[in-house]
Amino acid sequence: QKEVEQNSGPLSVPEGAIASLNCTYSDRGSQSFFWYRQYSGKSPELIMSIYSNGDKEDGRFTAQLNKASQYVSLLIRDSQPSDSATYLCAVNVDKIIFGKGTRLHILP
Amino acid sequence: NAGVMQNPRHLVRRRGQEARLRCSPMKGHSHVYWYRQLPEEGLKFMVYLQKENIIDESGMPKERFSAEFPKEGPSILRIQQVVRGDSAAYFCASSPRGEGEQFFGPGTRLTVL
Repeated sequence: QKEVEQNSGPLSVPEGAIASLNCTYSDRGSQSFFWYRQYSGKSPELIMSIYSNGDKEDGRFTAQLNKASQYVSLLIRDSQPSDSATYLCAVNVDKIIFGKGTRLHILP
Repeated sequence: NAGVMQNPRHLVRRRGQEARLRCSPMKGHSHVYWYRQLPEEGLKFMVYLQKENIIDESGMPKERFSAEFPKEGPSILRIQQVVRGDSAAYFCASSPRGEGEQFFGPGTRLTVL
């Protein structure tokens, strides 16, 4: 069974620090990887997509992909209280499978 | 440039009634996905549709649930004879191509009394 695993958290990070969110997946055939942010009571919002090994940076966000280790991560630099949310990792094999999400709490 | 639209945003039904949820994808998107999310739970895939075709319904309960995406008009997720366990948030997402990024609508919160 194809799985996407995330630590449920909560992960507490001081304001201004780097938040590191991790995700592992089971299917080596996975080609596309996504990070979504979901505020409580709201819908998921796409924040990053990554398709090849290495790092991809977009503003304060960096996605890192290591296909050999079947590992994808999201770094958030200069964390802000507005970053407090649940972060969903999603992996596409023949359909997109979502992890259950990591709750991130930025401490003011 | 309108995003994915869903209506109604909130729907209350009594046990045994039918619930009909609508989703209009983003302009130019022909791939639609439905997900269900229970409180404090992850997103659970239900069904993937293209215009007039069901591509993957492996996440749909075998009974009472059906989905369609007609040539004209929105995609519809229909739940017949609702039970309390159907209470959840139902999200629709659309994509311009099958394996690419998905963009979510605001969701429909279904409450079954």
